[in-house]
Amino acid sequence: QSALTQPPSASGSPGQSVTISCTGTSNDIGHSNFVSWYQQHPGKAPKFMLYEVTKRPSGVPDRFSGSKSGNTASLTVSGLQAEDEADYYCCSYAGGNTLVFGGGTKLTVL
Amino acid sequence: QVQLQESGPGLVTPAQTMSLTCTVSGDSISSGGSYWSWIRQHPGKGLEWIGYIHNSGRTYFNPSLKSRISISADTSKNQFSLNLNSVTAADTAVYYCARVIDGLAAVGRWGQGTLVTVFS
Repeated sequence: QSALTQPPSASGSPGQSVTISCTGTSNDIGHSNFVSWYQQHPGKAPKFMLYEVTKRPSGVPDRFSGSKSGNTASLTVSGLQAEDEADYYCCSYAGGNTLVFGGGTKLTVL
Repeated sequence: QVQLQESGPGLVTPAQTMSLTCTVSGDSISSGGSYWSWIRQHPGKGLEWIGYIHNSGRTYFNPSLKSRISISADTSKNQFSLNLNSVTAADTAVYYCARVIDGLAAVGRWGQGTLVTVFS
């Protein structure tokens, strides 16, 4: 079970859109739609942002959206705001009732 | 709404067993629909799923840690616990307890996390 692959960093200016990728294998992302995303500000616990690739829990702005193609899932943040600056982690079901996380992407709002 | 709170020693001696407890409020750990999980984050690093216990009592673990961990539940106290044995400096991390939503494989609620340092 290897960690999912995310770019270490991403950036965008306020108002712009940025997309963060998360690449796995046919055993995890490619095998199901159980992909979720989490936002983590420094010193805080992660926050639940997306589940089942595209669905948002209550209270998450619709500026956050998700997609998946093959073994790669993506998180898109539209209309970037200063408070979106954080680390973002993807997570996938990996079979056998196990989960695997990505290494995380630091999003900087320029 | 459900809240989770980790507790346990912040400092553990190498080769010893680390024990953490998560106290859950706002929901019963024995009710259906949840896996009660442990996740850790090494300093400055990403998240690592450790394992979880289902409300049925079944446990599932990260294959890389499986030989050293156990997770148990005390329904009378609405708590679940993590034991990690033979700890080394590589086990120094912030440990989070969390609720994974059954059927969604998504971590819907997190505790605030507790730092455990392995140090002699």
